Amino acid sequence: ELKVEQNPLFLSMQEGKNYTIYCNYSTTSDRLYWYRQDPGKSLESLFVLLSNGAVKQEGRLMASLDTKARLSTLHITAAVHDLSATYFCAVDIWDDKIIFGKGTRLHILP
Amino acid sequence: EAGVVQSPRYKIIEKKQPVAFWCNPISGHNTLYWYLQNLGQGPELLIRYENEEAVDDSQLPKDRFSAERLKGVDSTLKIQPAELGDSAVYLCASSPNSYNEQFFGPGTRLTVL
Repeated sequence: ELKVEQNPLFLSMQEGKNYTIYCNYSTTSDRLYWYRQDPGKSLESLFVLLSNGAVKQEGRLMASLDTKARLSTLHITAAVHDLSATYFCAVDIWDDKIIFGKGTRLHILP
Repeated sequence: EAGVVQSPRYKIIEKKQPVAFWCNPISGHNTLYWYLQNLGQGPELLIRYENEEAVDDSQLPKDRFSAERLKGVDSTLKIQPAELGDSAVYLCASSPNSYNEQFFGPGTRLTVL
């Protein structure tokens, strides 16, 4: 069964702290996406990871991909309130089918 | 550059009624997707178009759902008849091709009473 699992599903953290969101997937893929969704809004693309070992950074967010472990991480450095949102990973599997995780709802306390 | 446009933004109907959603993708984007998103869940693909061809409609409930993209540009998703369980947000996304990141529209929030 094809699965994309995110962990944790909900995270409440203090401003200034670091944390990591994990995305595990159950089948071979070498392309993974991270999206952000604010409440009542649509999805905004954050990162596209295209190969094993890929690492991308934008501001306080850094994403990485380990295709051998079938794992991607989204690391948050010195969190700020504006990063509060739901974060989705999406895995591109065979035949360009894309499967989304359930999302990690991130709440950053001021 | 204009983003993905969807209309209507909100729709409330009674069960057994028909409903249609419209999507205009970003200009030049060949690939168009329709997703369903339930509250607290990730988007689930309903159908993917490459130009005017539906290349993946395996998750589309064909007994009541239909979609078209006649000229390979804008697209319509229809539900007839709607059921209570169809209440969700329907998202349209587009990309230059299926190897690129997707750009999402604002979605249509459907409530079936």
